[in-house]
Amino acid sequence: GNSVTQMEGPVTLSEEAFLTINCTYTATGYPSLFWYVQYPGEGLQLLLKATKADDKGSNKGFEATYRKETTSFHLEKGSVQVSDSAVYFCALRPNTGNQFYFGTGTSLTVIP
Amino acid sequence: GAGVSQSPSNKVTEKGKDVELRCDPISGHTALYWYRQRLGQGLEFLIYFQGNSAPDKSGLPSDRFSAERTGESVSTLTIQRTQQEDSAVYLCASSLAWGPSNEQFFGPGTRLTVL
Repeated sequence: GNSVTQMEGPVTLSEEAFLTINCTYTATGYPSLFWYVQYPGEGLQLLLKATKADDKGSNKGFEATYRKETTSFHLEKGSVQVSDSAVYFCALRPNTGNQFYFGTGTSLTVIP
Repeated sequence: GAGVSQSPSNKVTEKGKDVELRCDPISGHTALYWYRQRLGQGLEFLIYFQGNSAPDKSGLPSDRFSAERTGESVSTLTIQRTQQEDSAVYLCASSLAWGPSNEQFFGPGTRLTVL
């Protein structure tokens, strides 16, 4: 079956710290992988995506690399800011069908 | 163009009443999804539509929940005889149907409070 396992939160970091949020997946075939972000009081929005193995998605200083050998799609940022405080969701879409599978979300708080 | 819209943005109702939540997807998006997000929790999949049909209703929590879609456009999620545990934000998303790289676009959600 298809599923996403995400690092438990909450995560609290100081400004300019390095961020990693782990995400691993189980899927048949070759899914596309996504990170969504939900800022306080707002809806979910796409942060980045990768559609095939070894692809790197990047946006707003965040990066994630599609690793098929480890079935992972870890989110990283070299220097977080207070404005990055949000909940981050890892998701996959199998290469057949229209269903999406989301992780449980990881809450990040960045303190000045 | 316009994004996914949902109405109402907030709904307060009394236990036992029925509620209808509406979603207008992005034009041309044939796949439409409903999720529930309880306070501080992740996304709980409810149902998705491909066109006007629902291939997967496995996430509907009980027979009090139903959803329909017409004209490959607007969708309505109906909760009958609401209970306090139904209080949550109900999120709608839409997507182009074909192509695994197509992401979901989310609406702002409807916050439902059952007193």
